[in-house]
Amino acid sequence: GAGVSQSPSNKVTEKGKDVELRCDPISGHTALYWYRQSLGQGLEFLIYFQGNSAPDKSGLPSDRFSAERTGGSVSTLTIQRTQQEDSAVYLCASSPTGGLYNEQFFGPGTRLTVL
Amino acid sequence: SQQGEEDPQALSIQEGENATMNCSYKTSINNLQWYRQNSGRGLVHLILIRSNEREKHSGRLRVTLDTSKKSSSLLITASRAADTASYFCATVPWGAQKLVFGQGTRLTINP
Repeated sequence: GAGVSQSPSNKVTEKGKDVELRCDPISGHTALYWYRQSLGQGLEFLIYFQGNSAPDKSGLPSDRFSAERTGGSVSTLTIQRTQQEDSAVYLCASSPTGGLYNEQFFGPGTRLTVL
Repeated sequence: SQQGEEDPQALSIQEGENATMNCSYKTSINNLQWYRQNSGRGLVHLILIRSNEREKHSGRLRVTLDTSKKSSSLLITASRAADTASYFCATVPWGAQKLVFGQGTRLTINP
């Protein structure tokens, strides 16, 4: 079956603009995660959705970052008023149930460049 | 913030040799996982070891976990050129539903 997909694969934007990144998880997976990978910070957790529970937003670096998951499937990560330090690869992952012992299936990522 | 430290940061070996990568972490964990990343993009899960396990095997992979030392190692035996990638350890801390990644080891297999 299809894996996790993300769009766009690359996004170049100007400082101060808003961007939206999309993630389509594997069908039937109830848990969805966003991570960010940058040269300076490595791989960082951003946010976690599990079913209808309130998301774990503890990794979001500032209030410019937000994410939603509609209908328990597709998720959108929004970055408002982008800054150059937001440049990174944004990775989405899903897992069947979000249990502690589930592996996470990652998408190919969106490379964001803020000029 | 990154919990894990991986050692070495880069490793270059000849095809057929074994590759060993180490990972240390700081807090109590539920389990530890290893992932591979090619070309700086999506990660692929390799193996998971629970906190009450000491060793686990999967094909050419062997993972050990020492919770008293808060460390893990990944051994890839009989390496192949296709094993060239970055390898990351990731912990699932107690009480958390997220992966906390190490900095990764960049492995190069020379033909």
